Amino acid sequence: DAEITQSPRHKITETGRQVTLACHQTWNHNNMFWYRQDLGHGLRLIHYSYGVQDTNKGEVSDGYSVSRSNTEDLPLTLESAASSQTSVYFCASSYNSNQPQHFGDGTRLSIL
Amino acid sequence: SQQGEEDPQALSIQEGENATMNCSYKTSINNLQWYRQNSGRGLVHLILIRSNEREKHSGRLRVTLDTSKKSSSLLITASRAADTASYFCATLDGANSKLTFGKGITLSVRP
Repeated sequence: DAEITQSPRHKITETGRQVTLACHQTWNHNNMFWYRQDLGHGLRLIHYSYGVQDTNKGEVSDGYSVSRSNTEDLPLTLESAASSQTSVYFCASSYNSNQPQHFGDGTRLSIL
Repeated sequence: SQQGEEDPQALSIQEGENATMNCSYKTSINNLQWYRQNSGRGLVHLILIRSNEREKHSGRLRVTLDTSKKSSSLLITASRAADTASYFCATLDGANSKLTFGKGITLSVRP
């Protein structure tokens, strides 16, 4: 069965470190998304991609970057982790913009 | 910025009762989607209703959409303890094809 997997599921790191969260989907979807989920804010879009070599900034993109070198993967990098980036991060994919998104189970990131 | 706003924020009902959750939004939409999130898991898509549709059913789920009032409701009939989860509405913006999520409703179904 097709799926979308995120790794790691949990990570603790220190401020100032570079962190990369992995997202891998086997749906063969063109669209991939990164969200963060925080209490009181719901899900907020960080970055998204509509295909290989395409990346776009979302609502809360400062301090984050993504790259899309193939269809399956969209890694999210925190260039210099800050405590405000402590959150649960979700990756999602969809066939196109009009179709539902499929979500991974998230990465809980704590920055101390 | 938040597009969909769910109401109520939390709902507690007895098993067997119906649960009704509402979502309001501000701008024109292409479609509206409802998702469920169990504790510690990712969101799971439940149902999608297009802007030209007024009602849709899927099993025990019934979704309505009123574009004149910019609102939607999700009805779960004959609720079960397993329905305990957070529910999110998400609107697909007609102009920029972005999906925007509300803050969610926490549903507790007591056995």
